[in-house]
Amino acid sequence: NAGVTQTPKFRVLKTGQSMTLLCAQDMNHEYMYWYRQDPGMGLRLIHYSVGEGTTAKGEVPDGYNVSRLKKQNFLLGLESAAPSQTSVYFCASSLAGPGRTQYFGPGTRLTVL
Amino acid sequence: AQSVAQPEDQVNVAEGNPLTVKCTYSVSGNPYLFWYVQYPNRGLQFLLKYITGDNLVKGSYGFEAEFNKSQTSFHLKKPSALVSDSALYFCAVRDGGAAGNKLTFGGGTRVLVKP
Repeated sequence: NAGVTQTPKFRVLKTGQSMTLLCAQDMNHEYMYWYRQDPGMGLRLIHYSVGEGTTAKGEVPDGYNVSRLKKQNFLLGLESAAPSQTSVYFCASSLAGPGRTQYFGPGTRLTVL
Repeated sequence: AQSVAQPEDQVNVAEGNPLTVKCTYSVSGNPYLFWYVQYPNRGLQFLLKYITGDNLVKGSYGFEAEFNKSQTSFHLKKPSALVSDSALYFCAVRDGGAAGNKLTFGGGTRVLVKP
């Protein structure tokens, strides 16, 4: 049981390049989330999904897109990377319903030059 | 809107002494409150949560937290700190009346336990 996994672990991009971060979970969770972590700001929600084929915006969605074509996968895309998107990105998943615990992946460290 | 404040950027404590990490929150409905810990270059690990019931919640690794509705606080405590407790701690809140399961995180408190 791997829990939540993220690919890749590290990535360096040049401004304007695109990339996709992959999150996978094997816990059969309905909900999935993408956060970014910046020093002193905690984690901020980018997008989330409450089920296969559905996505919604979080607190800081600009510059990102997501897709949830399969229940176990949640993809985060950057179409044209900017230096302001340099951050550590975390994926999480949870069962449906209020108060459910979110379980986090190990993170992806992204640097945009 | 929901918000969380962790007033201390860093807490220093000697090994064996009590550890307290402070958290206050603001929600319009009933709060669901969480504590997570992050070790260097790792993801967040769940410690404990308050949903309803007993105000004192016990969690992993000997940690506990007390929900105080009147003070809108959810401080994390450990009676006797270990050097291995040195990490970054996050408090998070969800408004129980809101749709979805979105958490709002505090800025984090770095704990340093000295031998």
